[in-house]
Amino acid sequence: SQQGEEDPQALSIQEGENATMNCSYKTSINNLQWYRQNSGRGLVHLILIRSNEREKHSGRLRVTLDTSKKSSSLLITASRAADTASYFCATDKNSGYALNFGKGTSLLVTP
Amino acid sequence: NAGVMQNPRHLVRRRGQEARLRCSPMKGHSHVYWYRQLPEEGLKFMVYLQKENIIDESGMPKERFSAEFPKEGPSILRIQQVVRGDSAAYFCASSLRLAGEQETQYFGPGTRLLVL
Repeated sequence: SQQGEEDPQALSIQEGENATMNCSYKTSINNLQWYRQNSGRGLVHLILIRSNEREKHSGRLRVTLDTSKKSSSLLITASRAADTASYFCATDKNSGYALNFGKGTSLLVTP
Repeated sequence: NAGVMQNPRHLVRRRGQEARLRCSPMKGHSHVYWYRQLPEEGLKFMVYLQKENIIDESGMPKERFSAEFPKEGPSILRIQQVVRGDSAAYFCASSLRLAGEQETQYFGPGTRLLVL
């Protein structure tokens, strides 16, 4: 399966701290994407990193990709209560559109 | 510009009934994707449609499930003779062009189907 698997399953931190989530996958990929899902809502695209990229930044988000280890990490710096959500990594089946998501990391940021 | 709309947001059906899930893509988007999220699982791709065409249904169960995206109106995911195992959240996504590295999928809020 090409499905990404995130860890930890749940993470609880205080505002201002950094949050790191990891994702592992099993087969080769074209790119890897991270999404956020607030409770009861749809997924929001955060960032896409291509297989030939090692690191990418977007605001307080930093994503790394290690294709040799088939793993990626998402770092949220200076977390806020509004960052509380579930975070998913997604890989595609070489089609570019048929994404497969892991079970997600549930992040709780307390004031 | 309204986002992807899905209705109903919650649907309860008894075993053997039919479930119809609707998805209105973002304005101007002609590419629609359906995903299913089983309890405690990640989203899994089901089907990709363009107007009046099913392009890729490789993730769709072979029986009881069908999808359409007519020339006019929303995309419909139809589940016939529902069983308890169909209980899940069903998400629709849309994109302006074919989704990929240069084109993001925008997701709706999902329809949560409960089969009693």
